[in-house]
Parts: sequence; C-alpha cells; structure tokens
Amino acid sequence: GAVVSQHPSRVICKSGTSVKIECRSLDFQATTMFWYRQFPKKSLMLMATSNEGSKATYEQGVEKDKFLINHASLTLSTLTVTSAHPEDSSFYICSAMQPNTGELFFGEGSRLTVL
Amino acid sequence: QQQVKQSPQSLIVQKGGIPIINCAYENTAFDYFPWYQQFPGKGPALLIAIRPDVSEKKEGRFTISFNKSAKQFSLHIMDSQPGDSATYFCAASLKAAGNKLTFGGGTRVLVKP
Repeated sequence: GAVVSQHPSRVICKSGTSVKIECRSLDFQATTMFWYRQFPKKSLMLMATSNEGSKATYEQGVEKDKFLINHASLTLSTLTVTSAHPEDSSFYICSAMQPNTGELFFGEGSRLTVL
Repeated sequence: QQQVKQSPQSLIVQKGGIPIINCAYENTAFDYFPWYQQFPGKGPALLIAIRPDVSEKKEGRFTISFNKSAKQFSLHIMDSQPGDSATYFCAASLKAAGNKLTFGGGTRVLVKP
C-alpha cells in the first residue's frame, strides 16, 4: 500500500510551547489530507481536512487557532499545536487521500505529551 | 446521520477461530466501507474495503459481508492467528463529502494461542 510518513513519532514539550507535526505522502501526490486525534482505547476523531493551496476545514468544536494546519505542497501537511497544554496530550494521526482511488492511507501517528 | 456503530467492543477467540465484527450505519448515501487494523502505538492500516454494489469481498483471510438493505456490514477473520490481535475499526465515507471517514468505535480482538 501507499506510504504516509509522519514525524515526529513522539514528542514531549513544556506547557505553553508550540509543536509541529509533519505528514508526508511518499509515493503519491495528495491534494487532501486529514488530521485525527485519538484518545487511549478510543476511536479516531477527525479534527480537520487539509487541502493543498487552501485553508483547512475544521470539524465542529476544534479550535482553529489552537491547531494550525498548513498544506504547503502536494506531499506535505503540517499540524502545529500552539501554546500546548497538558489536555492537548494525545495521539495525533494524519491520513492522505490517494487521488486516483480515493483510498485513505494513514501515518504512523505522533504521540504528544505536554508536561 | 453520520454515525457508524460497531460491535462488539472486544472479542477473544482461540487460534483458528473466526472473529466477527459488525457495523451498522445510518446514512444510506455512504458509498465506501473500509476496515482498518491498528496495533498499539501505530496508525491504522487499511485491511479491506467494499462498495455498496457488492455483497461480499474476500482478501486473504479477511472477508467483508455487506447488507445494503439492513445498512450493515461485517468483517470475518478466517483462521485467526495471535498476530491478528489488534483493534479493528470499520468506517464509512461519501465521495460527495470529500471522502471524509466516519469511524466506528473499534473492536479489540485478542487471539489466544
């Protein structure tokens, strides 16, 4: 299957700092990527849809200023958690949509711990 | 309208058994139904997917059964192995809505040796 790379896989930061997570589609160009958040033993919760060259579309209840999404190229989307707080600690997962088939391929996830 | 309900929440089978996971959806416009497998600390991996014009699809030991009239679909894992122990998620999406996936709640499957 297609490969989607996510970096970093783990990050620990102090409260009040900002953290950037990268999502790259390695073998196809993805005009659309999605960002999810997953709590322990829970399902994936869609945070936002990232569209190359345009603003991200956020799901209801997700703070746009808190979770900044940039889709700068057809292979890269970034999620920046700004002014992180302990309640932002979670597993963040991205997915990229293969344009020909519409299938979604997921990254390996990024574990964020805010102290 | 966008909900996908998955059951059971957890499942334990002996090696060689056939775990069956069920999902029910409400939005009849959904046109793509994938299943994902997730190991702890990893992202979900696409296992198998089906579209509503097909009632069954097999890929290796994994089979999806789809009942359009009942708005239900299920995953069967044939000859299950301990390495199949993972969390499985069903999902549904609609091309007209940008292929956004709506996930079920997940099923933790444990295959005992």
